[in-house]
Amino acid sequence: EIVLTQSPGTLSLSPGERATLSCRASQSVSSNYLAWYQQKPGQAPRLLIYGASSRATGIPDRFSGSGSGTDFTLTISRLEPEDFAVYYCQQYGSSPKLTFGGGTKVEIK
Amino acid sequence: EVQLVESGGGLVQPGRSLRLSCAASGFTFDDSAMHWVRQAPGKGLEWVSGLSWNSGSIGYADSVKGRFTISRDNAKNSLYLQMNSLRPEDTALYYCAKDKGIVATFIDYWGQGTLVTVSS
Repeated sequence: EIVLTQSPGTLSLSPGERATLSCRASQSVSSNYLAWYQQKPGQAPRLLIYGASSRATGIPDRFSGSGSGTDFTLTISRLEPEDFAVYYCQQYGSSPKLTFGGGTKVEIK
Repeated sequence: EVQLVESGGGLVQPGRSLRLSCAASGFTFDDSAMHWVRQAPGKGLEWVSGLSWNSGSIGYADSVKGRFTISRDNAKNSLYLQMNSLRPEDTALYYCAKDKGIVATFIDYWGQGTLVTVSS
């Protein structure tokens, strides 16, 4: 069973800065089957990225995903005030199970 | 517009049962795998259970295996989670979630969740 480890646990940045979030898998993720979600307080998660690098519908291009194998990255090129939230990675391809990482909180510095 | 509306949550004593329901609309229900994902207060997301479009492939997290049963009724556009032998650690907000694929891939839509509290 694949375990996903996200780092850092908390990222303190200012609006306009670049955010780099890491998701590391305990074994290779087949076909780059990795997704990223954003969750704001009191809200359900929202899909950002799937297939490691494909943006979901309506997601701004300041969000980008990259990586392969066991190391994946979510990058927010310039943080907007609405981007401060918790971000989760999720692996698929081990149907019917899904696996989530523990999350990274991006907070205002 | 895709809508997923959960119901059935509430306060229940340890050892008792609860059945969650999810009413889906705005998409072709039997074209999607479906999941239950939970979030304990102040914690991260935990996948609980999921099933493929035709219920041919079903999975459970180890933490709920043998106690929870997922099912769907494609004729009623509904997803269910029967939760037996509930424990305090099952306390969480339970989300109904639509998969992009017919088997488990990633989640493209989430409900707003129903809160389950297990306490005496």
